[in-house]
Amino acid sequence: QQPVQSPQAVILREGEDAVINCSSSKALYSVHWYRQKHGEAPVFLMILLKGGEQKGHDKISASFNEKKQQSSLYLTASQLSYSGTYFCGTEQKYSGGGADGLTFGKGTHLIIQP
Amino acid sequence: NAGVTQTPKFRILKIGQSMTLQCTQDMNHNYMYWYRQDPGMGLKLIYYSVGAGITDKGEVPNGYNVSRSTTEDFPLRLELAAPSQTSVYFCASINGGIGAGELFFGEGSRLTVL
Repeated sequence: QQPVQSPQAVILREGEDAVINCSSSKALYSVHWYRQKHGEAPVFLMILLKGGEQKGHDKISASFNEKKQQSSLYLTASQLSYSGTYFCGTEQKYSGGGADGLTFGKGTHLIIQP
Repeated sequence: NAGVTQTPKFRILKIGQSMTLQCTQDMNHNYMYWYRQDPGMGLKLIYYSVGAGITDKGEVPNGYNVSRSTTEDFPLRLELAAPSQTSVYFCASINGGIGAGELFFGEGSRLTVL
């Protein structure tokens, strides 16, 4: 089941804040966030694990509501370099190491204008 | 340290032709993945492997095959190419499973089938 991301796109001025949401209909073990710039590979930002553990980027924060199977990515004081497409990836089961990969959402396009 | 290396970066195929996308990682990661990315659709898992000699199907395996004879290499074979296989293909790897943290992606292979 592909997670649903919202909004699909957002345009900000430099210095403004943004929130990107990710929602799943399945019970989640972890939520991962990646950013992808045009023509490049996705780059890891953050992982949020069931139980509250987080690993990732210093300047980006995120939350994971285990009961609602929802995660939000918070971008504060946005910079031009934050432009790109943001993907959430969900891990729906944990089987001896989470072998079967992530299920990614369709992405949220973020444009930061000067 | 090269990370995950994919070749070729670009390829044009005719309908019915076959080819192999190469993926090599030098980080001694046990888990490896092949994703395809279509515009506006996020990344879809094709195949994955938890170690040498072990592979399994992902969400969209039809028309593809993989092998994992070594820890380092995870080639993706396209048999009888079809226009629906026009996409950008990403290979990724991680050590210890998805919950361990960052999924390392290759730079991608852009395939066009005409």
